[in-house]
Amino acid sequence: GAGVSQSPSNKVTEKGKDVELRCDPISGHTALYWYRQSLGQGLEFLIYFQGNSAPDKSGLPSDRFSAERTGGSVSTLTIQRTQQEDSAVYLCASSTWTSGGYSSSTDTQYFGPGTRLTVL
Amino acid sequence: GDSVTQMEGPVTLSEEAFLTINCTYTATGYPSLFWYVQYPGEGLQLLLKATKADDKGSNKGFEATYRKETTSFHLEKGSVQVSDSAVYFCALSEGYGQNFVFGPGTRLSVLP
Repeated sequence: GAGVSQSPSNKVTEKGKDVELRCDPISGHTALYWYRQSLGQGLEFLIYFQGNSAPDKSGLPSDRFSAERTGGSVSTLTIQRTQQEDSAVYLCASSTWTSGGYSSSTDTQYFGPGTRLTVL
Repeated sequence: GDSVTQMEGPVTLSEEAFLTINCTYTATGYPSLFWYVQYPGEGLQLLLKATKADDKGSNKGFEATYRKETTSFHLEKGSVQVSDSAVYFCALSEGYGQNFVFGPGTRLSVLP
């Protein structure tokens, strides 16, 4: 497929369990982003990858959250010991990377459909 | 740090009404500016963007002009349709490895 894909689309888990969310970016996109969208709220930035490295982890809400990316492609977001307040839609986005020049040159982010996480 | 402020919703309009959703930003450099739309039950998708001052982004009848002097990127449409009902997010990116900063979103409901 040509778009960003995420799996699973829905995840229901019990409080205290660990979950893994997966994101497959668009082929060739070097930048990958994770966001969280709680019910009726805006987007909360979690983490950003450029290639396999994460220069900006500032949005991770706690040390229960971690993410990795391998081969410059697939990324997994892991939430350990889930809590009810972790319930949200987790969105992944990817973009290409262009640089140079004085003006900003960030490319458009393309979003996946999201994973809806429900912690009981 | 960078931030994006949007007018609070929900915004309710009748079909064919004129739409304006205000967006202002704070940034340290020269960001690119974006409007994303989220239709009911769907993911976010890019509506339009502008990468430098005075640029106008346009798509599907929507327009927004990058105003550096007022640090604004207001979204407008001359005649809304019921199918435009969605949540609209204003966003910026400073580029060069910076994350995007999104506004809180504005819910638009268009009544027939």
